[in-house]
Amino acid sequence: DAGVIQSPRHEVTEMGQEVTLRCKPISGHNSLFWYRQTMMRGLELLIYFNNNVPIDDSGMPEDRFSAKMPNASFSTLKIQPSEPRDSAVYFCANQGQGTEAFFGQGTRLTVV
Amino acid sequence: TQLLEQSPQFLSIQEGENLTVYCNSSSVFSSLQWYRQEPGEGPVLLVTVVTGGEVKKLKRLTFQFGDARKDSSLHITAAQPGDTGLYLCAGADSLDSSYKLIFGSGTRLLVRP
Repeated sequence: DAGVIQSPRHEVTEMGQEVTLRCKPISGHNSLFWYRQTMMRGLELLIYFNNNVPIDDSGMPEDRFSAKMPNASFSTLKIQPSEPRDSAVYFCANQGQGTEAFFGQGTRLTVV
Repeated sequence: TQLLEQSPQFLSIQEGENLTVYCNSSSVFSSLQWYRQEPGEGPVLLVTVVTGGEVKKLKRLTFQFGDARKDSSLHITAAQPGDTGLYLCAGADSLDSSYKLIFGSGTRLLVRP
């Protein structure tokens, strides 16, 4: 298995534009998490899904952020409209049957 | 809100020295994990501790879970440059069939040759 695959690895966009981050989880791993990492705030949990159903989205900062998991093999995190303060590294992570989280390599987002 | 505080935030030491990183919370967790993250990569799991008072060793790394399952420590003996990285603790709360992971603030370690 190739692990958790995120795309793109880097994204530079202008303020006000829509940004879509993508995640392909590990096959058979039922829980999926979206995290945001910055130097100031560390690794923050934005939302997590279990069996494709959103369980807790209390970490989503604003209505500008939305996440979907239409099936077990794909998830997206969308920011519309993007703002400079959204600049961060966004991680997708998976859990199987246990507690271990397998992370993707992240998407480094820069909003100018 | 569950919070995990790590200390110190930054640590710069000479190769061969020992160090301890602490992870503290006011909340009880069903288990606690330690991850290491290198630049440009996602965090990778080092260990999971489940039982209060549990001690686990991974080569030169020793992990301990507090008796009350609210805190943990990571001790590295004879640190090497390859230990450089960001160390993160994460508390797990069980919810239905999944586990919600809350991460600590992180300790950035630099081991100088």
